[in-house]
Amino acid sequence: GQSLEQPSEVTAVEGAIVQINCTYQTSGFYGLSWYQQHDGGAPTFLSYNALDGLEETGRFSSFLSRSDSYGYLLLQELQMKDSASYFCAVYSGGYQKVTFGTGTKLQVIP
Amino acid sequence: GAVVSQHPSWVICKSGTSVKIECRSLDFQATTMFWYRQFPKQSLMLMATSNEGSKATYEQGVEKDKFLINHASLTLSTLTVTSAHPEDSSFYICSARGQERYGYTFGSGTRLTVV
Repeated sequence: GQSLEQPSEVTAVEGAIVQINCTYQTSGFYGLSWYQQHDGGAPTFLSYNALDGLEETGRFSSFLSRSDSYGYLLLQELQMKDSASYFCAVYSGGYQKVTFGTGTKLQVIP
Repeated sequence: GAVVSQHPSWVICKSGTSVKIECRSLDFQATTMFWYRQFPKQSLMLMATSNEGSKATYEQGVEKDKFLINHASLTLSTLTVTSAHPEDSSFYICSARGQERYGYTFGSGTRLTVV
């Protein structure tokens, strides 16, 4: 089966940098993705890593280490609007199956 | 970008009745759509994979006779919660792989309350 673990909550100050970790156990791994979900809303795609290393997309970066079954999402220059839940997700079965992590609720404070 | 439209956004129904939720891909064709269930403050749990023109694939523990999925066209998948009970109250959300190379696009979700 698949399992993904994330910290349940993180609090950070506006303008700071925060890292959200994700460890996973899976079979048939294709890649690790990150999604943002505001309360009551739909998840939105942030990033994807298939290979080891860092992928940067504006203020957000995502890292993957396949050998360690570990990844993280890095958010820089935090803004109040970044307060949301962040989910890592493993793609398996040829991208046909997406399994979400437990989710991390990020609270950005002034 | 790809848009997935989901209706209704919320519904209240009486225990024992059935509720149908629609998920449409508006500007792309989706041979595969996914249905998730999310309880408050919890993760998205995959319920089933909806395949156009064939039977859905259900995850372990999901009752296929209770959660009927139909994917009759390349742009529409429906989830029908049959004989709903209060424990079926949840946030149901669909997704499809659109034009984003690796990302999945989600519908806005349906909050179901069974009374």
